[in-house]
Amino acid sequence: GDSVTQMEGPVTLSEEAFLTINCTYTATGYPSLFWYVQYPGEGLQLLLKATKADDKGSNKGFEATYRKETTSFHLEKGSVQVSDSAVYFCALSVPTGTASKLTFGTGTRLQVTL
Amino acid sequence: DGGITQSPKYLFRKEGQNVTLSCEQNLNHDAMYWYRQDPGQGLRLIYYSQIVNDFQKGDIAEGYSVSREKKESFPLTVTSAQKNPTAFYLCASSVRQSTDTQYFGPGTRLTVL
Repeated sequence: GDSVTQMEGPVTLSEEAFLTINCTYTATGYPSLFWYVQYPGEGLQLLLKATKADDKGSNKGFEATYRKETTSFHLEKGSVQVSDSAVYFCALSVPTGTASKLTFGTGTRLQVTL
Repeated sequence: DGGITQSPKYLFRKEGQNVTLSCEQNLNHDAMYWYRQDPGQGLRLIYYSQIVNDFQKGDIAEGYSVSREKKESFPLTVTSAQKNPTAFYLCASSVRQSTDTQYFGPGTRLTVL
């Protein structure tokens, strides 16, 4: 079945450090790929997405490139801020008729310190 | 403002009681979803609905029930048959297309005492 594997956290960085959170996937068909962010006690917010191979999603300084050859969608940011502290979820969606069913990774907690 | 509302934010119930979680959206989305989140885990799909008066079981539907009588509303009932109901419950919606982005509500934290 479909699955998403993320690097385990927590990831602890100093402010202005470079961030990489690894995500790899297994899917039948041609999935769309997503990164969602969850702040403490809140729901998930879409951070970025990519719908086909070699697409790059970007938002708020975060980027991720859909790599079909390595089945990966790693999240990167050049300079993190304390406000980026949250849990980040990688997810995929494969067409299943008329509804989109998301498969999530287990999440990676990011802690950014001054 | 368009969005998804879930109420209440915190809910406490005694073991053996059924409880209903509310989810309302004004995004005019056809599809709605319920997920369960446990500490240190990803989200798991409970039920989803593609259109009014229709819904399908997700990966962990046992002990839960839903209804979809209106496009805007998709309430989830956690029944006494659910063995481990304490969790964070998230509702989401999307335009009725496969692979479309899902938008999430703020969640309800249910604690069964």
